[in-house]
Amino acid sequence: QQQVKQSPQSLIVQKGGISIINCAYENTAFDYFPWYQQFPGKGPALLIAIRPDVSEKKEGRFTISFNKSAKQFSLHIMDSQPGDSATYFCAASYSGYSSASKIIFGSGTRLSIRP
Amino acid sequence: EPEVTQTPSHQVTQMGQEVILRCVPISNHLYFYWYRQILGQKVEFLVSFYNNEISEKSEIFDDQFSVERPDGSNFTLKIRSTKLEDSAMYFCASSVWILASGRGTGTGELFFGEGSRLTVL
Repeated sequence: QQQVKQSPQSLIVQKGGISIINCAYENTAFDYFPWYQQFPGKGPALLIAIRPDVSEKKEGRFTISFNKSAKQFSLHIMDSQPGDSATYFCAASYSGYSSASKIIFGSGTRLSIRP
Repeated sequence: EPEVTQTPSHQVTQMGQEVILRCVPISNHLYFYWYRQILGQKVEFLVSFYNNEISEKSEIFDDQFSVERPDGSNFTLKIRSTKLEDSAMYFCASSVWILASGRGTGTGELFFGEGSRLTVL
């Protein structure tokens, strides 16, 4: 019930294409779904996050689509650029605005953008 | 921009030795965490810490592990007797800002340091 399942494990996309990474969760108590981006040798950094009261959130080229009934959410990267090449982790937690519980990470997707 | 800093960046130790990894979380944050990432694998939760005590810990965080906030700024992870399988990247994180009222506020975002790579030989 604590798991967050992520796919694919790796993804190669042409420059300018759309990168799509999918995640699924089981625990309906989760109320915060962030995506973290990690470059080699660095710690994960928050990219974009969504709460289950909305079905989509867009920030620049990055969009989260959220399907509460299916317990799935996905990251779409539009116009993918070589600088987007990194490992992406979906995650989930049941954190509130004034407190925080652990964030549970998916297994990660290694994204490579071909120039 | 505030950041979480970790030392050392890389530590090599012999099996059975004690290791202490240090972190300086973002000041005015309330919650502190340790995660680990075995090479190429997922980021795994170890422990969370709030108000000078452990809030939650995972199955990985057994009696060989301990955390401490010895002063107002440092947050340490100690591994008493390292094993080969403890070799990993250890990440410290912090979250939730302290308001003037003393209550916390935040978006749920965890701010991670750049990690300490531990190699156990």
